[in-house]
Amino acid sequence: DAGVIQSPRHEVTEMGQEVTLRCKPISGHNSLFWYRQTMMRGLELLIYFNNNVPIDDSGMPEDRFSAKMPNASFSTLKIQPSEPRDSAVYFCASSLGQGGGYTFGSGTRLTVV
Amino acid sequence: GENVEQHPSTLSVQEGDSAVIKCTYSDSASNYFPWYKQELGKGPQLIIDIRSNVGEKKDQRIAVTLNKTAKHFSLHITETQPEDSAVYFCAATSSWGKLQFGAGTQVVVTP
Repeated sequence: DAGVIQSPRHEVTEMGQEVTLRCKPISGHNSLFWYRQTMMRGLELLIYFNNNVPIDDSGMPEDRFSAKMPNASFSTLKIQPSEPRDSAVYFCASSLGQGGGYTFGSGTRLTVV
Repeated sequence: GENVEQHPSTLSVQEGDSAVIKCTYSDSASNYFPWYKQELGKGPQLIIDIRSNVGEKKDQRIAVTLNKTAKHFSLHITETQPEDSAVYFCAATSSWGKLQFGAGTQVVVTP
């Protein structure tokens, strides 16, 4: 298995632009997580999907952030409009069931200028 | 919700020495405790985990111990090597299996 695949690896965008991050979880995994990592706040859970259904989105910072999982093999995290404070590394992770280890992707480094 | 405290934030060790990272958690219902290693430019990678029905687990040079009464768990790395240099995160499950991560420990192994 190729693991959790995220794209793009790097994204530089101007403030106000829409940004879409993509994730392909490991085949067969039924839980998917989006995390944001910054020096100040560490690893923050943004949203969690189970069987393609959003279960907990309490970590989504504000309405500018939205996430979808149209099928078991694809998820997106969208920021519209983007702001400089959104600059961070965004990770997608997947797992089989609850209470198990996560497999993380390589992350997307987002820079909003 | 779950709260995980991790210490120290940085740890410098001489190659060949041991490294110990300690974490405490708040939710007595937590039952799964993984450790992740993150190298520069990469995502966190699971290196070892322990469940609440086990007190200790070992995998070659790394081991994890769990004290459920005191609500703390530790990572032990023996015979450290330069490739052990990375950021290490502990985590604990909360209600629906959501992992709450510690703040991380930057480990530097000096030759």
